[in-house]
Amino acid sequence: KQEVTQIPAALSVPEGENLVLNCSFTDSAIYNLQWFRQDPGKGLTSLLLIQSSQREQTSGRLNASLDKSSGRSTLYIAASQPGDSATYLCAVPRGKLIFGQGTTLQVKP
Amino acid sequence: EPEVTQTPSHQVTQMGQEVILRCVPISNHLYFYWYRQILGQKVEFLVSFYNNEISEKSEIFDDQFSVERPDGSNFTLKIRSTKLEDSAMYFCASSEVGGGSGANVLTFGAGSRLTVL
Repeated sequence: KQEVTQIPAALSVPEGENLVLNCSFTDSAIYNLQWFRQDPGKGLTSLLLIQSSQREQTSGRLNASLDKSSGRSTLYIAASQPGDSATYLCAVPRGKLIFGQGTTLQVKP
Repeated sequence: EPEVTQTPSHQVTQMGQEVILRCVPISNHLYFYWYRQILGQKVEFLVSFYNNEISEKSEIFDDQFSVERPDGSNFTLKIRSTKLEDSAMYFCASSEVGGGSGANVLTFGAGSRLTVL
């Protein structure tokens, strides 16, 4: 059974810091891994999708890496801004998407 | 950019009442999904739908729930007799391809918040 875990549950940093969010999964036989952003009371916005054959994906200040063998993915946010404050979710497909519980990020001005 | 549209954004209902949540998936997508998120908990899969039938459902999706694609554009989730524990944010999603394919990229709607009193 695939389980997805995210650490830490919450993170508060001053503006400008580089930070890393962690996602781990128990079954390394994944097709891809997706990172989402969720603003309070809002929907899920897809940030990055890494295929199983890839090691990383970049979009602007975001960089996601994938290490299937160790069952881990990280989301790196460079030069964080207050507008990055949100909950970040990772998910892997097993027919349906299986989500982690998310990391709630607060970036203080 | 194409998007998944959900209505209503927020619905308040009395316990025992029927609720229908509506979704308009992206027009060329063939696979449709409902997920829910109880406040403070993980996003959970409810059901997937393809070719006018349920392809997979979770244990949450019991006889109180049903899904329908009444026309070529809408995809609905019905809860027949709501319970307090049905209070959650319900997300609709759609994708071009389905299953465990690496190309299975879901686009989510903004969600419908259901509050059962």
